[in-house]
Amino acid sequence: EVQLVESGGGLVQPGGSLRLSCAASGFTFSGHYMDWVRQAPGKGLEWVGRTRNRVENYTTEYAASVKGRFTISRDDSKNSLSLQMNSLKTEDTAVYYCVVWIFGRGFWGQGTLVTVSS
Amino acid sequence: DIQMTQSPPTLSASVGDRVTITCRASQSIGGWLAWYQQKPGKAPKVLIYQASSLETGVPSRFSGSGSGTEFTLTITSLQPDDCATYYCQQYNTYSPFTFGPGTRVDIK
Repeated sequence: EVQLVESGGGLVQPGGSLRLSCAASGFTFSGHYMDWVRQAPGKGLEWVGRTRNRVENYTTEYAASVKGRFTISRDDSKNSLSLQMNSLKTEDTAVYYCVVWIFGRGFWGQGTLVTVSS
Repeated sequence: DIQMTQSPPTLSASVGDRVTITCRASQSIGGWLAWYQQKPGKAPKVLIYQASSLETGVPSRFSGSGSGTEFTLTITSLQPDDCATYYCQQYNTYSPFTFGPGTRVDIK
């Protein structure tokens, strides 16, 4: 069974940094793309970014709203995905989900809440 | 980036009604479309993937169809538990896997 468990959320001041993690199990982690998706309170879903798999050299891409501030990385030896968030803004307040794409199907974690506020 | 639209934004129907939600892509995405159901405070739940494949465990009253730029999600007999917001998402290209803005479904 595919399982994704996010952690690391919390309260941070504007301009601060936070690192989210996603622990994965139940599938061959190294073989698949991993995404981060977020949802601000009362808003819709927003794709944040992606890391591709080893075959595609772990290339990453980001939404324009976070490019240059957020960095996605993965550790295939630990079945772990990370999202390093720097220069945080109040508009980054959201629940952050990790998502894995396996043969055309998306599997989601339960999310972790990030609140950016002074 | 591929833009996704959904209609209607909100929908109110009676228990037992047939309900249809439409999702349109700004360019062809083949069949690379997913539908999600989300209830307040919960993670999105996958209902349909690859436009028409029913996710394991999802009731058969849910179905998806379409290809290219126009897709539909149909609930054949609306149940009280179906009150939720429904999102479509395209995952066709190397560009962002963009989402539709959502359709909120209520019971009359």
